Amino acid sequence: EVQLVESGGGLVQPGGSLRLSCAASGFTFSSYEMNWVRQAPGKGLEWVSYISSSGSTIYYADSVKGRFTISRDNAKNSLYLQMNSLRAEDTAVYYCAREAIYGEDKERAFDIWGQGTMVTVSS
Amino acid sequence: DIQLTQSPSFLSASVGDRVTITCRASQGISSYLAWYQQKPGKAPKLLIYAASTLQSGVPSRFSGSGSGTEFTLTISSLQPEDFATYYCQQLNSYPPTFGQGTKVEIK
Repeated sequence: EVQLVESGGGLVQPGGSLRLSCAASGFTFSSYEMNWVRQAPGKGLEWVSYISSSGSTIYYADSVKGRFTISRDNAKNSLYLQMNSLRAEDTAVYYCAREAIYGEDKERAFDIWGQGTMVTVSS
Repeated sequence: DIQLTQSPSFLSASVGDRVTITCRASQGISSYLAWYQQKPGKAPKLLIYAASTLQSGVPSRFSGSGSGTEFTLTISSLQPEDFATYYCQQLNSYPPTFGQGTKVEIK
């Protein structure tokens, strides 16, 4: 079964750090680009970060640039998000999502999502 | 950044109704648009990619259309399990932004 399982969420004080992990199974992880997406309580979806299949290309949302670091270990089928200098507005459920690419036009979509891990930033 | 505006933000409908949700992009995105369904406490689920291609396993009552700046998601006959929040997402350029969501509730 194709699956993504996030872990590492929890309660952290403002200014603190947290490292999220996403374990992939059921597919060739090293062949896929991956993303982190978050959702604040009662709010919509916000894309956070992208990493290419090899890890050579990385993008961040402006809201997290300079504070968050995405990485992956293809040997361990794992995706990570290191979150530093956390703020109250980073409180959200964090999802990892696989990016699928379709056809000659290279259409894209996030076809597999994990169940999410909750991060709460509060004193 | 490309902005996506969904309308309506909230929709009340009955089982069997035909439902249409619109997503407008602030600039042209060709057909690089996906639709997702999210139920409370669950992860989003991909319904449609490339504006109109149904993801494997998604019921045929769901359909998508459009290109450029205007897109629609249609549910031909609303079923009880379809009551959820729906999001569009553009993947034409980074950041891959989402619409604000459309909540479909039971009338």
